[in-house]
Formats: sequence, structure tokens, C-alpha cells
Amino acid sequence: IAGITQAPTSQILAAGRRMTLRCTQDMRHNAMYWYRQDLGLGLRLIHYSNTAGTTGKGEVPDGYSVSRANTDDFPLTLASAVPSQTSVYFCASSEREGPDTQYFGPGTRLTVL
Amino acid sequence: GQNIDQPTEMTATEGAIVQINCTYQTSGFNGLFWYQQHAGEAPTFLSYNVLDGLEEKGRFSSFLSRSKGYSYLLLKELQMKDSASYLCAVMDSNYQLIWGAGTKLIIKP
Repeated sequence: IAGITQAPTSQILAAGRRMTLRCTQDMRHNAMYWYRQDLGLGLRLIHYSNTAGTTGKGEVPDGYSVSRANTDDFPLTLASAVPSQTSVYFCASSEREGPDTQYFGPGTRLTVL
Repeated sequence: GQNIDQPTEMTATEGAIVQINCTYQTSGFNGLFWYQQHAGEAPTFLSYNVLDGLEEKGRFSSFLSRSKGYSYLLLKELQMKDSASYLCAVMDSNYQLIWGAGTKLIIKP
């Protein structure tokens, strides 16, 4: 059982380019999340999905979009990357929405130049 | 605004006990989580408190006081592998986790 996988592991991207970060889980969890983690700051929620077909905005959604076509996949797209989006991105999932343990993927380190 | 405060860094000795504090101010409260994160890795779940009191799980214990907006994580019999960052997170009224910046714990032999 892989749990949650993310791709790519790391990426260097030119500003203005479009980029999709992939996230797949095999635990049949209903809820999924995207966070960014920056030095000196706590994890910040970008977008979430409580179940397939639904998505919601977190604390820092601007410049990002998500989709949830099925239970397993939750891709995050940067339509036109900017240097302030340089960060480590973590995907997470939980069995249900609400106060439930969130399990994290290994992360994607993204650098926008 | 919502705020989670925890010390930036702590140092402790192998075999000793360390207490990592977390204070919070959030809009609503649906539980407090502690996660461990080794450098370059993903956070992993340690504990969850929703009622006041102490929850013990092996060498790790977590305490919560909702009236004081306060929690701590207690690590006993410290081992070198406990060197990591410890993240405190509170679930708010919208069921979103608000995270502290983390406490980097350095264990010395």
C-alpha cells in the first residue's frame, strides 16, 4: 500500500509557466487537502475537497486551482507561476472531513524563478 | 485573527524529558493535533486532544486545557531519532487545521 504519492518530487519552473502537481491516494479517503509549507510559517491550506466532485478554498487559494474528478486523485494547478509560489507543497488525505487524522504525501519542492 | 504559538527551537539531552508548549487563539475549536516532521519529510500524526486532560501514548503524552487555550507535548526517554520538528495544529469552526510554525527539537548525546 503506497498511501499518498506526489509527483514530481521537485521542480524548477520559469515564472509565467503553467504547472500541475499530482497527488494520488489509495486509501479510499473521502477528504483531500493541499498545503504549502514555507520556512518560519505553519502549513497553510490552499484548497480542499471533502468528497469527489466537490472542492473548497482554504487560507491561501489565489493563483491555484484544483479538481476532484474521482476519489483517488487531487491535482493542484498553478495557472501562471510567480516566484512567491516557491514552496514545498504537501498533499494530505483523511478518511472523512472534520476532526480526523490527516495523512501526508512526501511533498513537492517547487522553485519558481 | 487565528494564531498558534510554539517555541521556535528547543534543545534536550538523550534520555531526558522535554515539554513543548503550544498556545492558541482560534475561531472555534474542534480538537488539537500534534504532528512530527523530520527534516525533508512529511508530517506524521502523533496525537489528538479534544477534551481537557492528558493523553498518553508510549513515550509521548499530550495535554490540553481548552479554557487556557494551551497544550503541551511531553516526550520521555528521549532518543536521537526524536530530533525533528513538532507541529501543533488546531481544527477551527470550519473544520480547517490552523498550524503553528513548529518547534525544532535538537537532541544532544
